[in-house]
Amino acid sequence: GAVVSQHPSWVICKSGTSVKIECRSLDFQATTMFWYRQFPKKSLMLMATSNEGSKATYEQGVEKDKFLINHASLTLSTLTVTSAHPEDSSFYICSARGQGPNEQFFGPGTRLTVL
Amino acid sequence: DAKTTQPNSMESNEEEPVHLPCNHSTISGTDYIHWYRQLPSQGPEYVIHGLTSNVNNRMASLAIAEDRKSSTLILHRATLRDAAVYYCILRDFHNNNDMRFGAGTRLTVKP
Repeated sequence: GAVVSQHPSWVICKSGTSVKIECRSLDFQATTMFWYRQFPKKSLMLMATSNEGSKATYEQGVEKDKFLINHASLTLSTLTVTSAHPEDSSFYICSARGQGPNEQFFGPGTRLTVL
Repeated sequence: DAKTTQPNSMESNEEEPVHLPCNHSTISGTDYIHWYRQLPSQGPEYVIHGLTSNVNNRMASLAIAEDRKSSTLILHRATLRDAAVYYCILRDFHNNNDMRFGAGTRLTVKP
């Protein structure tokens, strides 16, 4: 099946710094990518939908100025957590919509720890 | 997307079949039923999906009730590697919109 990669797989940063997470579709073009956040023992929560070449659509309660999403190409979307704080520590997962009508592939996730 | 209801947790013995239920009483005619699973510290992994007919693949089988208000994911012989959280998700074929996760069922497999 299609592969979605994320980089880095884990990151530790100091409070107040910004962190960028990359999501790539390795063998297909993805016009739409999704970003999720998952806290321990909880389910995935959709943060935003990203369409190539246009602004991302954020879910209610997600601060667009804090979680900057850029989908500049058909194979790359980035999520930047700006001025990260300990409460932003979470598991961030991206997903890419495939070519078929029911295809959606998930990345392996990025664990962010903010000290 | 219509809502799904799953048991919070289930247990199974290794090498025995497992039936994971999902209720979706408000399913619409164009909703596909998707199942994903998530192993610890990993992203979700596709398991199977279907519309009306039962489906089989190398990972599992999906049994869909005649009225489509419920479905069951069947793992024919559970292994320790099948221990995961299993999510049942509905998604409208026409809208092909985002995929939203419920709480899922945490499956524990005992040796």
